[in-house]
Order: sequence, then C-alpha cells, then structure tokens
Amino acid sequence: DVKVTQSSRYLVKRTGEKVFLECVQDMDHENMFWYRQDPGLGLRLIYFSYDVKMKEKGDIPEGYSVSREKKERFSLILESTSTNQTSMYLCASSLSWGRAEQFFGPGTRLTVL
Amino acid sequence: DQQVKQNSPSLSVQEGRISILNCDYTNSMFDYFLWYKKYPAEGPTFLISISSIKDKNEDGRFTVFLNKSAKHLSLHIVPSQPGDSAVYFCAAVLTGNQFYFGTGTSLTVIP
Repeated sequence: DVKVTQSSRYLVKRTGEKVFLECVQDMDHENMFWYRQDPGLGLRLIYFSYDVKMKEKGDIPEGYSVSREKKERFSLILESTSTNQTSMYLCASSLSWGRAEQFFGPGTRLTVL
Repeated sequence: DQQVKQNSPSLSVQEGRISILNCDYTNSMFDYFLWYKKYPAEGPTFLISISSIKDKNEDGRFTVFLNKSAKHLSLHIVPSQPGDSAVYFCAAVLTGNQFYFGTGTSLTVIP
C-alpha cells in the first residue's frame, strides 16, 4: 500500500512565524502535490512537483513556497504566516502523469493565531 | 472560479436506502472523473473513477454515472451503511494531472 506521511498532525503558530510542512511518500511516485482544504471551498491546489527540483504553481500559491530535493520528500514552506493561512493542509502523490490516482496523507491542521 | 461544484453541502440517508451525491462541472475538456471519501482527521481516499468515454462505472455498492451533455456526475451508494458516513469529494482531471476538486458533500447514514 502507498503510504504518504506528513510531519505533523496539528500545529499552532503565531502570525509572522515560519512554518515547514513536510511530506514523505514511500512508493517512488513521480508527482507530489500540496492542497489546502477549507469549509465550502473544497481542496485547492497550492503547488505541485513532477520531478526532483521541479515545481509548478497551483491555483493559490501566494504566501507559500515549496522544496523538493529528494523524490520522496516534498516540503511546503510558509515564510511568514498569517491568520488566513489557518487551514487543513493535505499532501498527495501519484505515480505518473495523466489520470493516475492521487494518494493523500492524513493532513496537517495549522492554526495561526 | 469553481470549475467543479457540489451544490449539496450535506445529505442524510437512512441505512439500507440509496445515497445519491451530485457533482456539476463547467469545463467540457475534463476527461476523467473521480470520487474520494474523507473521514475526519484522515486524508481523502480514492473510491471510484470514470473516463469521459463511459457513462457508468460500478464497483460493488458504488456506481458513478456521467452525463456529459449536462456536465453532471453522480455517485450512487446502495445500500447505504453507517460506515459510509464521511465527506465525499468529486474531482475532475484535465489532460495532464491537474485535479480540480469539488467543495464536498457530508453524508450521514442514519442507523
């Protein structure tokens, strides 16, 4: 079974702090994704990566950056958190380009005070 | 602009009856559709999918119907079970691998 793990389940930060969210997948998947989930808005794509050191902006990249130094690891960075970044953050991976099913991690609930 | 919409935020169904979850989309270029199920404090898990060249796909108690002319997708669960209580997201895929997710429908199956 594919396993996607995320470094934290719950985080509480103060406005202006820097946050790293890490995601690791163990199935040698090419593609990795970061989403945020908010009530009434569903899942929105922040960034994705289709190869090591490659990244593409999703629908809502503002205020975020990413890093993919190794194939299995994809990090989401919030340089200076704001209260509107309070959300559930979900990482996903998929085997290949095309219609490949995305496998999700358990999510990180980030609260910014 | 939301390209994939689930207009019912919640749905309650009696155990044993049929649950019908609906999804509408605006982009006729979507060529693949999926349903995901999400329990609280867990990530979404894949449930069932359908290609745009088909109008129905069935997997056990779950059937997905696609009406391309209406740009409408539905998920039928028969019979519904209490363990089906979760949030259901539909997703549409353009050529490539970018998924567009709906806003989710929270299903409650009442024992």
